Amino acid sequence: DAGVTQSPTHLIKTRGQQVTLRCSPKSGHDTVSWYQQALGQGPQFIFQYYEEEERQRGNFPDRFSGHQFPNYSSELNVNALLLGDSALYLCASSAGGYSYNEQFFGPGTRLTVL
Amino acid sequence: GNSVTQMEGPVTLSEEAFLTINCTYTATGYPSLFWYVQYPGEGLQLLLKATKADDKGSNKGFEATYRKETTSFHLEKGSVQVSDSAVYFCALSTSGTYKYIFGTGTRLKVLA
Repeated sequence: DAGVTQSPTHLIKTRGQQVTLRCSPKSGHDTVSWYQQALGQGPQFIFQYYEEEERQRGNFPDRFSGHQFPNYSSELNVNALLLGDSALYLCASSAGGYSYNEQFFGPGTRLTVL
Repeated sequence: GNSVTQMEGPVTLSEEAFLTINCTYTATGYPSLFWYVQYPGEGLQLLLKATKADDKGSNKGFEATYRKETTSFHLEKGSVQVSDSAVYFCALSTSGTYKYIFGTGTRLKVLA
């Protein structure tokens, strides 16, 4: 049973560019959440997708957007990249999206903005 | 707002020593509490969880008890191994929201 997968593993971009990160949830899961983990910090919630809709959003600007596909996979898009967007981006999947359900995390995509 | 506070790291212990990593929280309602572990170069793995007051979560020799009166969820292990070296995150979620709120993490280094 494959767990949560993310691609790419690493990415280097320059300021002002746009980036798309991808996530495939664990089999049987229908909910995907995205987190940003800056170096030495805990993950910060970006947003959650359920039934192809953004269900909740954290304190991130509109430059961060996402999408969920009918097969439950998801993309995170970041426009107009800033140096401060450099971080590990984690995708987490769960079933039904209830807050007490365990979220399973992928290995992350390391984004470096130069 | 809701928040999680963890003890500062790094924590350095000798193998077979007793481990305690403190975690306290602030939350409205009755949160669910989690401990996640992150090994170098990897994502987060759930270590244990507790969903109501006085519940004890346990896994791989680690334990944590949900203490509502002290708003705490301290992680303990009786005898650590070198393989336990990692970063440990305390987290909470509350009903009515879908996000997890994480602490800043505590790095544990176990020496042989």
